[in-house]
Amino acid sequence: DAGVIQSPRHEVTEMGQEVTLRCKPISGHDYLFWYRQTMMRGLELLIYFNNNVPIDDSGMPEDRFSAKMPNASFSTLKIQPSEPRDSAVYFCASRPSGGPDTQYFGPGTRLTVL
Amino acid sequence: AQKVTQAQTEISVVEKEDVTLDCVYETRDTTYYLFWYKQPPSGELVFLIRRNSFDEQNEISGRYSWNFQKSTSSFNFTITASQVVDSAVYFCALSRYGRYGGATNKLIFGTGTLLAVQP
Repeated sequence: DAGVIQSPRHEVTEMGQEVTLRCKPISGHDYLFWYRQTMMRGLELLIYFNNNVPIDDSGMPEDRFSAKMPNASFSTLKIQPSEPRDSAVYFCASRPSGGPDTQYFGPGTRLTVL
Repeated sequence: AQKVTQAQTEISVVEKEDVTLDCVYETRDTTYYLFWYKQPPSGELVFLIRRNSFDEQNEISGRYSWNFQKSTSSFNFTITASQVVDSAVYFCALSRYGRYGGATNKLIFGTGTLLAVQP
């Protein structure tokens, strides 16, 4: 079975540019999560969706960040405009509702903002 | 408040040595879930184990074993006969028990332990 798929794996951009990260959850999983990993703050939850609806976005750092889930198999995390302090690894994870509730993570997108 | 502490920032061992990674957690909940994830140099996060608070039985999976002790709020992870492929950052995580059962969606991660296994 395919795991969580993220693209791109690496992104280098300049300050002020718009960045879009993409995620395809595991088929049949109703929950989707976006995390950010930095040396300073470790792994932190940004936002999560259930059945394509945002449930908790309290971890989104500021208005420059937005996330959408237009359908059950696709989500985006957008940063506009990007800043150097946004440099991090962004993970997407998914889990099913009911049954095992473990979150399964994608390979991550390493974002570098120059 | 919930918190996970992994006091060992880095551990270095020689291949075939046994190694234990410590995880201490804080929670006021009587029911909760604990997890271990592995992050190899390639960067992905790989799920290893989930344990709920009402199951204190230790678990063994091949060279991996987990020791859950509620009395000391610890969920330690031991790798027996370590191998170079075990080199990774290991994260312990805590989740509350959801209203309808199962783990809630907010995982509290520790800061991770970098394990380096030398050949």
